[in-house]
Amino acid sequence: KQEVTQIPAALSVPEGENLVLNCSFTDSAIYNLQWFRQDPGKGLTSLLLIQSSQREQTSGRLNASLDKSSGRSTLYIAASQPGDSATYLCAVSDNDMRFGAGTRLTVKP
Amino acid sequence: GAGVSQSPSNKVTEKGKDVELRCDPISGHTALYWYRQSLGQGLEFLIYFQGNSAPDKSGLPSDRFSAERTGGSVSTLTIQRTQQEDSAVYLCASSLSLGPQDTQYFGPGTRLTVL
Repeated sequence: KQEVTQIPAALSVPEGENLVLNCSFTDSAIYNLQWFRQDPGKGLTSLLLIQSSQREQTSGRLNASLDKSSGRSTLYIAASQPGDSATYLCAVSDNDMRFGAGTRLTVKP
Repeated sequence: GAGVSQSPSNKVTEKGKDVELRCDPISGHTALYWYRQSLGQGLEFLIYFQGNSAPDKSGLPSDRFSAERTGGSVSTLTIQRTQQEDSAVYLCASSLSLGPQDTQYFGPGTRLTVL
């Protein structure tokens, strides 16, 4: 059974810092991996979708990488801003969609 | 355009009552998914629909849970004889198709509290 782990569970950084969120999964036979953002009281927002054949995707200040063979993905956020404060979830798709427990990010002004 | 909508946004019910949660997907999206997120836990996949068909119901937590989708659009998730452990945020998502390349778009969720 696929298991998805996110480290750290929580992270607090000062504004302007670059940071990396980590996601690992146990079964490398995935179709894709997605990074989501969840704001309190709101639904999920899809940030980046990486197909299994891809190594990375970029959107603005966000860059997500995928190393399928080692079962790892990272989400890199450049020049963090207070508005980036949220919970970040990664999810892998094989026959189902499995989510990690998330990393709660706080960016302090 | 309009995103995925869910209703109600909040539902408080007494243990043992039945509840019905509604999801209205993005127009034209053939695939629809239900998830739930319990306090302190990750998202849990429940069921998906391709059109009106749900090929795999094994993700539903118990036989008190059922879901249907009619007309390839709106879906309802019904929980019978609710229990306190059913308290969670129930999220619905839709995508253009079931292909792994299709991004899922999520609704705001329904927060269910069972007293």
